[in-house]
Amino acid sequence: DQQVKQNSPSLSVQEGRISILNCDYTNSMFDYFLWYKKYPAEGPTFLISISSIKDKNEDGRFTVFLNKSAKHLSLHIVPSQPGDSAVYFCAAKKVGTYKYIFGTGTRLKVLA
Amino acid sequence: DAGVIQSPRHEVTEMGQEVTLRCKPISGHNSLFWYRQTMMRGLELLIYFNNNVPIDDSGMPEDRFSAKMPNASFSTLKIQPSEPRDSAVYFCASSREIVQETQYFGPGTRLLVL
Repeated sequence: DQQVKQNSPSLSVQEGRISILNCDYTNSMFDYFLWYKKYPAEGPTFLISISSIKDKNEDGRFTVFLNKSAKHLSLHIVPSQPGDSAVYFCAAKKVGTYKYIFGTGTRLKVLA
Repeated sequence: DAGVIQSPRHEVTEMGQEVTLRCKPISGHNSLFWYRQTMMRGLELLIYFNNNVPIDDSGMPEDRFSAKMPNASFSTLKIQPSEPRDSAVYFCASSREIVQETQYFGPGTRLLVL
C-alpha cells in the first residue's frame, strides 16, 4: 500500500518553462514533507521541505505547495533548466517519527 | 566535510552467496538509515539506527537480511543467502537526531545477484 504516490513516472518540459511535479499522500498524520533530486549514479540530494503548518515554501527557482485538504503537494520549478533533468522524489513523515515514506519518483527531462 | 560513504559501489554476485554492504555516516550524525531502491517500489526504508541502536527494522524484507552498527562511524547491511530478487540499489543515509532534520544520502551500492 503506497502511502505516498507520484503518479507521473516522467515529465518533459521546455527550457525556460515551468515544471510541475505532483505528489499525493494518504496518511493525514504526515506533518513534514521533503523533495529530493537524484542524478544517475548518485544518491538523492535534499531540495526543499515544507511543514504541515504552511501551504507554501520557496527557495529560489523552487516552490513547494501543500494542500492538506486534498492531501497533495507539488513542486514548481521556474524557469526550468537542462541541469534540472533528474528524478524527483517526494517524501513524507509522521508526527514525532524519523521515518520518511518515499514516492516512486518522477523523471523530469528539461529540453534545451 | 565528506558526505556519507558507501562501499562497494557495485557488486555482482551469484545466488546463494553472502553480500555485505558498508556505510560510513557523516561525522556527528547519530541517525543512520538503510534504503533499497527498485523500479517497482521506489525507495523503501529497510532499517534505521539511532545512537547505534536499531530503532525500526520493520522494513527488512526477511531473515536473510541483517544490519549492524557497531559504532557511530560504521554500519553494515548483510544479505545471506542472496537471491536474484535482491538486485537493487541500496542507499545509506544519515542525519542528526532532530525530528525535522534532512537525511543525507550516500551514492548507493548497485547490487546484481545472478
